[in-house]
Amino acid sequence: KQEVTQIPAALSVPEGENLVLNCSFTDSAIYNLQWFRQDPGKGLTSLLLIQSSQREQTSGRLNASLDKSSGRSTLYIAASQPGDSATYLCAVRFGNTGKLIFGQGTTLQVKP
Amino acid sequence: ETGVTQSPTHLIKTRGQQVTLRCSSQSGHNTVSWYQQALGQGPQFIFQYYREEENGRGNFPPRFSGLQFPNYSSELNVNALELDDSALYLCASSSMLQGGDTQYFGPGTRLTVL
Repeated sequence: KQEVTQIPAALSVPEGENLVLNCSFTDSAIYNLQWFRQDPGKGLTSLLLIQSSQREQTSGRLNASLDKSSGRSTLYIAASQPGDSATYLCAVRFGNTGKLIFGQGTTLQVKP
Repeated sequence: ETGVTQSPTHLIKTRGQQVTLRCSSQSGHNTVSWYQQALGQGPQFIFQYYREEENGRGNFPPRFSGLQFPNYSSELNVNALELDDSALYLCASSSMLQGGDTQYFGPGTRLTVL
């Protein structure tokens, strides 16, 4: 069964700290992996997309890595800010289907 | 370029009723996917439509059905509503012509079933 897991479920850090969010998946035959941000009661905002042939992607203070052999991805956030407070979701597209399988998310709180 | 829009924003129904949710895809996108997100959970894939035909379905009963129109907008219909159908329903669009990689999500419709 293809599953995506995110640990921890919640994380609280002081402003300015660098942090890493983790995502693991059970099947190495992934097509791509996407990281999203979700503010309370809102839709999903795409942050980064990593194709199966790539090892990492960067956008501003965000860096996402992918290790298919170990079934893991990380989202690194540099110099965290209170505005980064949100739930971060990892979603994997397995094979060549359009279906995304999501983890349960990590809720991040950055304290001023 | 307009983003993905959904209507209505919120909806309250009673058990046994039927509901229709609507989604307008991002300009240039020909593929629409629907997801159900229960409180505190990650979204669950319901189904995807490409060129007006269903192109994959998740583990949802037949009372969840959909349509895609020639302008690529889409509807999600749910019959015989149950209490567990209360959730945020998200629509995502992408473009198969562009590899269909990044999915862009709308703001969602919050459905409450009483």
